[in-house]
Amino acid sequence: KAGVTQTPRYLIKTRGQQVTLSCSPISGHRSVSWYQQTPGQGLQFLFEYFSETQRNKGNFPGRFSGRQFSNSRSEMNVSTLELGDSALYLCASSAGLAGGRANEQFFGPGTRLTVL
Amino acid sequence: AQRVTQPEKLLSVFKGAPVELKCNYSYSGSPELFWYVQYSRQRLQLLLRHISRESIKGFTADLNKGETSFHLKKPFAQEEDSAMYYCALTNYGGSQGNLIFGKGTKLSVKP
Repeated sequence: KAGVTQTPRYLIKTRGQQVTLSCSPISGHRSVSWYQQTPGQGLQFLFEYFSETQRNKGNFPGRFSGRQFSNSRSEMNVSTLELGDSALYLCASSAGLAGGRANEQFFGPGTRLTVL
Repeated sequence: AQRVTQPEKLLSVFKGAPVELKCNYSYSGSPELFWYVQYSRQRLQLLLRHISRESIKGFTADLNKGETSFHLKKPFAQEEDSAMYYCALTNYGGSQGNLIFGKGTKLSVKP
């Protein structure tokens, strides 16, 4: 099975712009989660999507949004970029069923976003 | 507040020495605890979870609810164990898609 893929791998934007990141989960996985990783705050949960619905949400401002398509691919969008949004954005996919080993999270390589 | 604390940013040991990476947590519900590992130039991946009670690559971790700890241990460290280790938790029986991570401990095993 192909692993989780994320595009693009690197992105440079300027303050005030918006950005869209994409994540393709492992085939058959219905859950996609997004995380922000920074040196100061570490890995922080953004949101989780399951069957095109947001199932869980972290503590991030409304500028951060996401969606999931019928093929389970997911996108996250950040509007009005700030310098502090510079980070590695990771997505993870799983079967998404409640409980059990089937929910092991498989992480992608990440998208490195730099905001100038 | 729900929180995972890994007190050591860096842990350096010699090959063959025992290693213990500490993890403490604060959680209002019933937690499920995990250890994730990231080797150099590789993706973050699951190492072990507390409900499995298994040993992976010689590592074990026991959940101590009284001390709210989930320390990762290995009796004899190997050079290939050098990596970044993250402790994480979520609600027990949940989807695991909303993990709370600690800030990680970098383990360096010297020859």
